[in-house]
Amino acid sequence: DSGVTQTPKHLITATGQRVTLRCSPRSGDLSVYWYQQSLDQGLQFLIHYYNGEERAKGNILERFSAQQFPDLHSELNLSSLELGDSALYFCASSVDANYYNEQFFGPGTRLTVL
Amino acid sequence: QQPVQSPQAVILREGEDAVINCSSSKALYSVHWYRQKHGEAPVFLMILLKGGEQKGHDKISASFNEKKQQSSLYLTASQLSYSGTYFCGTELDDTDKLIFGTGTRLQVFP
Repeated sequence: DSGVTQTPKHLITATGQRVTLRCSPRSGDLSVYWYQQSLDQGLQFLIHYYNGEERAKGNILERFSAQQFPDLHSELNLSSLELGDSALYFCASSVDANYYNEQFFGPGTRLTVL
Repeated sequence: QQPVQSPQAVILREGEDAVINCSSSKALYSVHWYRQKHGEAPVFLMILLKGGEQKGHDKISASFNEKKQQSSLYLTASQLSYSGTYFCGTELDDTDKLIFGTGTRLQVFP
């Protein structure tokens, strides 16, 4: 158990819908990262938040957005869902903003878009 | 920008050795290694920093060739528990994000 929690564990929805994935980092960690993992793409970096502010963006679609709240939990919002958005979404946390720190991954949210 | 890992897959018997390589076309600041078992989250193995500082744990070792922009992960005397997919993640000098390779699937059989 990494100490990072993600809810829900599974999510099944239809195309065109909007969903929110939630992540709580390990106690004391200020950074939260979001990754998308699909079978043919490996782990794709989406976005990094540090202490409530956006630090870095990957190839995150405009239909996707995220935020980190004052209590440091983070939410990833996915809208106008398409079949290709079906994937495992991981959140990870680390103690600060430096990338040479270990990232602790949550168990993931499996999103299925029908 | 995505690092290239080789080989794509490795099959070993317990006790055998393996090397997994990670190459980048750009200058690297750090290389991270993670292992992901089927159905589980990735777990940190090791970080190698530009300038030679190395962090890590367990009995798995790694090297970082800054001139060649390559890193290698060494698995010696493999155990059944080593099975999984190994990902390298690279951080470039002028970016602020960790980009992962496509992974190397390792299977260890008795």
